[in-house]
Amino acid sequence: ETGVTQSPTHLIKTRGQQVTLRCSSQSGHNTVSWYQQALGQGPQFIFQYYREEENGRGNFPPRFSGLQFPNYSSELNVNALELDDSALYLCASSLGRNNEQFFGPGTRLTVL
Amino acid sequence: ELKVEQNPLFLSMQEGKNYTIYCNYSTTSDRLYWYRQDPGKSLESLFVLLSNGAVKQEGRLMASLDTKARLSTLHITAAVHDLSATYFCAVDNVGGGADGLTFGKGTHLIIQP
Repeated sequence: ETGVTQSPTHLIKTRGQQVTLRCSSQSGHNTVSWYQQALGQGPQFIFQYYREEENGRGNFPPRFSGLQFPNYSSELNVNALELDDSALYLCASSLGRNNEQFFGPGTRLTVL
Repeated sequence: ELKVEQNPLFLSMQEGKNYTIYCNYSTTSDRLYWYRQDPGKSLESLFVLLSNGAVKQEGRLMASLDTKARLSTLHITAAVHDLSATYFCAVDNVGGGADGLTFGKGTHLIIQP
């Protein structure tokens, strides 16, 4: 059984650029959630995708968007990057919307 | 809005001692999770607590849930250096519309020899 994987592991961008982060869910899981973890803070919920549709969203602006594909993998897109977007981005998958979430290793994004 | 508060946020303790981390949350939820995070790493699931009165133990860690008091505790018995990490509790916002986990700020635990 393959766990949750994320790519890339590290990324450096400059303000105003756009970035795409990728996540492959654990085998058999149909739900993917994305979280942003700023340094020294707890993770914050960005949004969740269930069967290719956004299922819920946290307090993040529209420049944070996502996709889920038929194989349940997912992308997180962030437009017009700001310095405060520098964080660890965590993807978690689950079997269904309200079940235990299993986290990937994360992508460390640095915005200069 | 669901709020999750952990205390203490920072804890330095000696090996062999016992201590408890507290997690309070603001709205009704029957699902609470504890995670461990090592520096620069992702979240490792420790416990899933699904009902009032649930108690789970793994090694030197024991977690409990009181849904009426909206309180969970993570108890560390006879701490060892390897338990040094940041510990998060997270509550499932079931029915709150967001369908995501709300995390506390974390307890940064240092265990000194």
